[in-house]
Amino acid sequence: AQSVTQPDIHITVSEGASLELRCNYSYGATPYLFWYVQSPGQGLQLLLKYFSGDTLVQGIKGFEAEFKRSQSSFNLRKPSVHWSDAAEYFCAVLNTGGFKTIFGAGTRLFVKA
Amino acid sequence: DVKVTQSSRYLVKRTGEKVFLECVQDMDHENMFWYRQDPGLGLRLIYFSYDVKMKEKGDIPEGYSVSREKKERFSLILESASTNQTSMYLCASAGQGETQYFGPGTRLLVL
Repeated sequence: AQSVTQPDIHITVSEGASLELRCNYSYGATPYLFWYVQSPGQGLQLLLKYFSGDTLVQGIKGFEAEFKRSQSSFNLRKPSVHWSDAAEYFCAVLNTGGFKTIFGAGTRLFVKA
Repeated sequence: DVKVTQSSRYLVKRTGEKVFLECVQDMDHENMFWYRQDPGLGLRLIYFSYDVKMKEKGDIPEGYSVSREKKERFSLILESASTNQTSMYLCASAGQGETQYFGPGTRLLVL
């Protein structure tokens, strides 16, 4: 069965430090891959997505993610975190041609001054 | 700009009440989804619909039903609310195989 694992329930980083959020998926083929962000009390907003092509994808708010087929990973990165990045981040996969998107359990990011 | 709206941000209901959660999208998307979100569990799919009057069960459909009479509107119904249905409910819509766009969520408390 398809699954998405975000091994870190929460992460704390200092403002200005770099960030990497981990995501691993289990699926037979290369699915579509997404990262979403959810600010407190809000719905989810798309940060970036990977469908095919260049394995390093750029998203909004200075985020990027790299697809590594050999590791079944799609980690999210940002070189310098801002206090406004404090939120919950969800990795998700969608099997090509399908309807159902599978979400990870989320990683909550705390940013300290 | 893409817009998905949900009828209520906060809702308080009593056990046994019938509850309707409404979701409207303005993007002419074929696919619409209802999720519930609980701490530590991420988003779990309740139902989805890929066309008007069409619906499919998700991972946790028990205790819920849905209605899609018009393309832009997808309703989630709790026939007899129970305390274990206290949760955040998120609606989303998507074109074929594309990004999901989410509403702001409805936080439901069942007493």
